[in-house]
Amino acid sequence: NAGVTQTPKFRILKIGQSMTLQCTQDMNHNYMYWYRQDPGMGLKLIYYSVGAGITDKGEVPNGYNVSRSTTEDFPLRLELAAPSQTSVYFCASSRTGGTGELFFGEGSRLTVL
Amino acid sequence: AQTVTQSQPEMSVQEAETVTLSCTYDTSESDYYLFWYKQPPSRQMILVIRQEAYKQQNATENRFSVNFQKAAKSFSLKISDSQLGDAAMYFCAYRSARGANSKLTFGKGITLSVRP
Repeated sequence: NAGVTQTPKFRILKIGQSMTLQCTQDMNHNYMYWYRQDPGMGLKLIYYSVGAGITDKGEVPNGYNVSRSTTEDFPLRLELAAPSQTSVYFCASSRTGGTGELFFGEGSRLTVL
Repeated sequence: AQTVTQSQPEMSVQEAETVTLSCTYDTSESDYYLFWYKQPPSRQMILVIRQEAYKQQNATENRFSVNFQKAAKSFSLKISDSQLGDAAMYFCAYRSARGANSKLTFGKGITLSVRP
C-alpha cells in the first residue's frame, strides 16, 4: 500500500544550490501534480501532468522544472534555490480528472538558507 | 479563474459538540466537484468528503456532512460529535468537471482545535 511516495522528507539547501524532489506512485494514475504549501496560503499548484510525456504549468511554476518520462515518476527540479522556495511540497496523483480523488504524498519540507 | 475562499482562519469546538466550517467559491461553470480535505499535524492530506455539483443531495460520510448551496456558491462542512482526532487543518477545494486536465484549487484552510 505505498500510494504516493516522496523523497526526501526534509532538506536544507543553500541559496543557489539545485535539487530534485522525487515522487513516485504505484497506482497507475495518469494525473500527477506538484503543490507547495506556505503558511496561511493553502496549496498552490506548481506543475501537473496528465500522462507520460505531458506536463503543464500551474499557478506558480517559476524556479521549477518537471519531467514525466514514466507513468510512475514525476520529479520536481529546483534550479538556483532561493529563500522564497522555502515551503512544504506535496506530490499528488489521481486516476482521472474531474471526480478523481487526489492521493497525496506525505510532503517534503524544504528550507533555503 | 475559479477561487475558493475560507474566511475563518481558526475555529474551536468542545469535544462531542458540532462545528461547521465555511467555504465559498466562485465559478462560472455549472458542472464541478467540491472537496474537503483534512491535514492533521502529520501533514498527510486526507479526503474527508466529496460533492458533485449536479447532485442536489448533500454528501455525508459518518460524522461528516456538507451543506451545499449551489446558487449561493457555498459549501460548508459539518462535523458532528467532534472528537480529539478531528483537530487538524481543513481545506476546501474545487475541481472543474470540464476538460481532461482539470486541476484542484484550494482555499487557504482553517485550523480546527477540539477542546477536551
